[in-house]
Amino acid sequence: GENVEQHPSTLSVQEGDSAVIKCTYSDSASNYFPWYKQELGKRPQLIIDIRSNVGEKKDQRIAVTLNKTAKHFSLHITETQPEDSAVYFCAASMNTGNQFYFGTGTSLTVIP
Amino acid sequence: DAGITQSPRHKVTETGTPVTLRCHQTENHRYMYWYRQDPGHGLRLIHYSYGVKDTDKGEVSDGYSVSRSKTEDFLLTLESATSSQTSVYFCAISEQGGEEKLFFGSGTQLSVL
Repeated sequence: GENVEQHPSTLSVQEGDSAVIKCTYSDSASNYFPWYKQELGKRPQLIIDIRSNVGEKKDQRIAVTLNKTAKHFSLHITETQPEDSAVYFCAASMNTGNQFYFGTGTSLTVIP
Repeated sequence: DAGITQSPRHKVTETGTPVTLRCHQTENHRYMYWYRQDPGHGLRLIHYSYGVKDTDKGEVSDGYSVSRSKTEDFLLTLESATSSQTSVYFCAISEQGGEEKLFFGSGTQLSVL
């Protein structure tokens, strides 16, 4: 099956700086890559996703990039704010399959 | 937020007792999933369903069974709970499985003493 690796496991940044979280996947058939944000004690919530026919997608301060050749994708958060502090998960899936494969998460702390 | 309700939200039980967790959706989505979340392991798939009475195993299915008799309900049963099954359990739904967005319920904190 698919294997998704996520780095770093923890990340601390100063407020206003950028944060980058990287994921790699193993199965070239994967074609859908969502990112989830999970605040303490809450459910994971979808914040942005990208499909394999697109190289980059932006939504305000959040962007995701995808490199299909290298089989990696990244989450970029600009102008970080304390409320961005959370655990972020990447995932990969394929439209011919039923399952989503998750990374192990990155705990982001934004220091005021 | 997608209409997903998990019950109970918290449960404490003793080793060896059976436990059933319920997931109820109002979105009429075909796919439903059960994940467990443990520190250092992220979200691991236990079982999933792709239709009424259609289920399949995930990567950590040992000790768990599921049932889906109606589109809106997906039950997770621990036949004989063990301390290693202490975890947070999340239900999730998707309209089209791997090619569409996955939405999570609020989770059930289960403690097995």
